[in-house]
Amino acid sequence: EAGVAQSPRYKIIEKRQSVAFWCNPISGHATLYWYQQILGQGPKLLIQFQNNGVVDDSQLPKDRFSAERLKGVDSTLKIQPAKLEDSAVYLCASSLDRAVPRNGYTFGSGTRLTVV
Amino acid sequence: AQSVTQLGSHVSVSEGALVLLRCNYSSSVPPYLFWYVQYPNQGLQLLLKYTTGATLVKGINGFEAEFKKSETSFHLTKPSAHMSDAAEYFCAVSDVRGNQFYFGTGTSLTVIP
Repeated sequence: EAGVAQSPRYKIIEKRQSVAFWCNPISGHATLYWYQQILGQGPKLLIQFQNNGVVDDSQLPKDRFSAERLKGVDSTLKIQPAKLEDSAVYLCASSLDRAVPRNGYTFGSGTRLTVV
Repeated sequence: AQSVTQLGSHVSVSEGALVLLRCNYSSSVPPYLFWYVQYPNQGLQLLLKYTTGATLVKGINGFEAEFKKSETSFHLTKPSAHMSDAAEYFCAVSDVRGNQFYFGTGTSLTVIP
């Protein structure tokens, strides 16, 4: 099966600019996750979708970050305006259902964001 | 709340030597436990997992891990390191409801020729 697709792979922007990342999960996967991985740290969950509804966005900095999954398939994550501390790899993952599956999630290759 | 501790942010081993990466978790009940590997500029790839049953689990690329409830540990081992094992390794635990992962801070493995 095709994996989780993410684009772009790399992005460099200046602080205060806006940026958007795109994720296409594995076909049929109802649950989609966005993680932020800062250099030297483990991934941190930003937001979790079940179909097109938000399940958990408690760690999403809502003053600058937003995410949507309008049709319950692909998703976009936006940052506006970006700050230097947003420099990180943004990982998208998907799973068949909401509960952590026995095989874990399937992760995309990530988007590496550098804010200068 | 769940938490995961990975002792040693950097581990270096010689090629052919034993690999031991440590992971301890905090949980009131046995959770699901996972090890992921991340090669440079790539996403996370599942190495192995423990859900129920046998406490010694085998994964891909010759890695294995043992769930020790009494020690709340899930250390990752490989008998003989290969150059291709150089990567970042993350231990992760699911919460009781199984709704999301909690990742450790990662261990960077260097293999010395």
